[in-house]
Amino acid sequence: NAGVTQTPKFRVLKTGQSMTLLCAQDMNHEYMYWYRQDPGMGLRLIHYSVGEGTTAKGEVPDGYNVSRLKKQNFLLGLESAAPSQTSVYFCASSYGTTRSYNEQFFGPGTRLTVL
Amino acid sequence: DAKTTQPPSMDCAEGRAANLPCNHSTISGNEYVYWYRQIHSQGPQYIIHGLKNNETNEMASLIITEDRKSSTLILPHATLRDTAVYYCIVRVVGPPGGYNKLIFGAGTRLAVHP
Repeated sequence: NAGVTQTPKFRVLKTGQSMTLLCAQDMNHEYMYWYRQDPGMGLRLIHYSVGEGTTAKGEVPDGYNVSRLKKQNFLLGLESAAPSQTSVYFCASSYGTTRSYNEQFFGPGTRLTVL
Repeated sequence: DAKTTQPPSMDCAEGRAANLPCNHSTISGNEYVYWYRQIHSQGPQYIIHGLKNNETNEMASLIITEDRKSSTLILPHATLRDTAVYYCIVRVVGPPGGYNKLIFGAGTRLAVHP
């Protein structure tokens, strides 16, 4: 199993450009998450999904959109990138709430710089 | 949401036990304590979790006080590869059909030295 993979690993954008980050998991997990991590800080939840075709806002959703068209994929979009979105982005997945706990499995991260 | 308090940094000698404390005085009865770690530039990695009993797995032990207001993560024989930021997280139980949030604080930066 590859676990959780993220594409791309690095990206540099100019202000106003758009891009999509792809997250894929092969563990048949129901839930998927997008986080951002700024220097010296913990992770903050951007958006999440509790199943195929569903998405919901997390703590810091402004400026981002997401889609979950397939169970194994979760896409994070930036329509008009801003320097404040310079960060490391992590995707994660987990089983649903029917389990007594939901360990989240994280991808390796995407380092995004917006100039 | 129950908050956690951790020291910002700790040191440990290689081969010795690393004991990482966490305070969660406002934890409620159905909230779990989770520990994750993040090795530099990598995604966080799950270590262990517990509700009220002490827990042990191949990576670590988790000791939760009887009143559940604090816990300690123990790495029994720390190695250089255990150098990382360790996050103590109280899991907020979401609504049915929702999700269980993990709220990451700043964590404890553990440095294991030779």
